[in-house]
Amino acid sequence: DQQVKQNSPSLSVQEGRISILNCDYTNSMFDYFLWYKKYPAEGPTFLISISSIKDKNEDGRFTVFLNKSAKHLSLHIVPSQPGDSAVYFCAASGVGGGSNYKLTFGKGTLLTVNP
Amino acid sequence: DAGITQSPRHKVTETGTPVTLRCHQTENHRYMYWYRQDPGHGLRLIHYSYGVKDTDKGEVSDGYSVSRSKTEDFLLTLESATSSQTSVYFCAISEGSGYEQYFGPGTRLTVT
Repeated sequence: DQQVKQNSPSLSVQEGRISILNCDYTNSMFDYFLWYKKYPAEGPTFLISISSIKDKNEDGRFTVFLNKSAKHLSLHIVPSQPGDSAVYFCAASGVGGGSNYKLTFGKGTLLTVNP
Repeated sequence: DAGITQSPRHKVTETGTPVTLRCHQTENHRYMYWYRQDPGHGLRLIHYSYGVKDTDKGEVSDGYSVSRSKTEDFLLTLESATSSQTSVYFCAISEGSGYEQYFGPGTRLTVT
């Protein structure tokens, strides 16, 4: 049973436009959410996070929105740059994700930003 | 970048042989994790540690064991490697609840 779902395996956008990556979760006990970026042959890199007490967190070009009632979060990248091309993983943590602060990951979305 | 190294970075081994992967951190973080990444599956937790000699299973722990005798080192052992364990293995560390996990560069393991 997949608790964190990224239903779009891939997304392609033009440079300068907005990229929107989506993530849905099923476990209402999750209370902390993260996005990671991964380039080929490298480890995932932490990008941005949000606690369930907030509905928005912003860091430069990256903004994460959380809709708890819909169990949905999204990552907005504005403006998109070719260097943003990578696989993006959504992850969740909390009591429902298990003890000891384990993360549950989605399968990832490959973002391609075209020049 | 968090001080996390993994060794070896690449390994090819034969079915039935034992394999040990090492994760080393210089951040003195309490929590350490082992994940595997496979196409179509994202990142899946194998085992994790919440302190020296304190470990527990993740969602895909069968065929794997771990040990943590020092804060800085977390070892993943495949007692008898199988082809289904061909994967990219990532180690991660974190301070604890609500904190991000930081990942190492990965080990690509091929079992022939």
